[in-house]
Amino acid sequence: DQQVKQNSPSLSVQEGRISILNCDYTNSMFDYFLWYKKYPAEGPTFLISISSIKDKNEDGRFTVFLNKSAKHLSLHIVPSQPGDSAVYFCAASRQNTDKLIFGTGTRLQVFP
Amino acid sequence: KAGVTQTPRYLIKTRGQQVTLSCSPISGHRSVSWYQQTPGQGLQFLFEYFSETQRNKGNFPGRFSGRQFSNSRSEMNVSTLELGDSALYLCASSLVASGSTDTQYFGPGTRLTVL
Repeated sequence: DQQVKQNSPSLSVQEGRISILNCDYTNSMFDYFLWYKKYPAEGPTFLISISSIKDKNEDGRFTVFLNKSAKHLSLHIVPSQPGDSAVYFCAASRQNTDKLIFGTGTRLQVFP
Repeated sequence: KAGVTQTPRYLIKTRGQQVTLSCSPISGHRSVSWYQQTPGQGLQFLFEYFSETQRNKGNFPGRFSGRQFSNSRSEMNVSTLELGDSALYLCASSLVASGSTDTQYFGPGTRLTVL
């Protein structure tokens, strides 16, 4: 049972444009959501997070939006840069635990 | 501040052997979690330790075990290795665990290959 889903395995975006990565979840008990970026043979690097009490969190070029009623979150990267090319994972957790449930990842490629 | 460190970075074992992986969390972090990453299954949660106690366990067989020491360092052991255990094993640490929504920070992982 995949509780966190990233339905787009890959995304290709031109440099300077907006990248939008999507994530859906099924467990309404999740109250904390994170986005990680991962390069091959390296551990995931934390990008941005959002608590379920918010619907938006912004950090530089990265913005995460949370729609609790739709159980959907998205990561916006504006403007996209070639260095953003990586696999992006969304993850969710419940209060009182550090157990992260990851989506299957979306490979983002930003081309010049 | 140093990040999460994992040793060894690469490991080759044969079927039936056992292996121990080590993780040193960020200084001051008390919670350590382990994840397995495989191409087909993505990142899957193994277990979580806080103050030397296992707080959560994922859906892995009993061959996978772990422990945490008083200095928060953690080890993970896999016994009777199978070919399917070949994966990148990732350790993550966070500051506190109880009732928190702390961010987890990952180490570089240990690449285990079982022949």
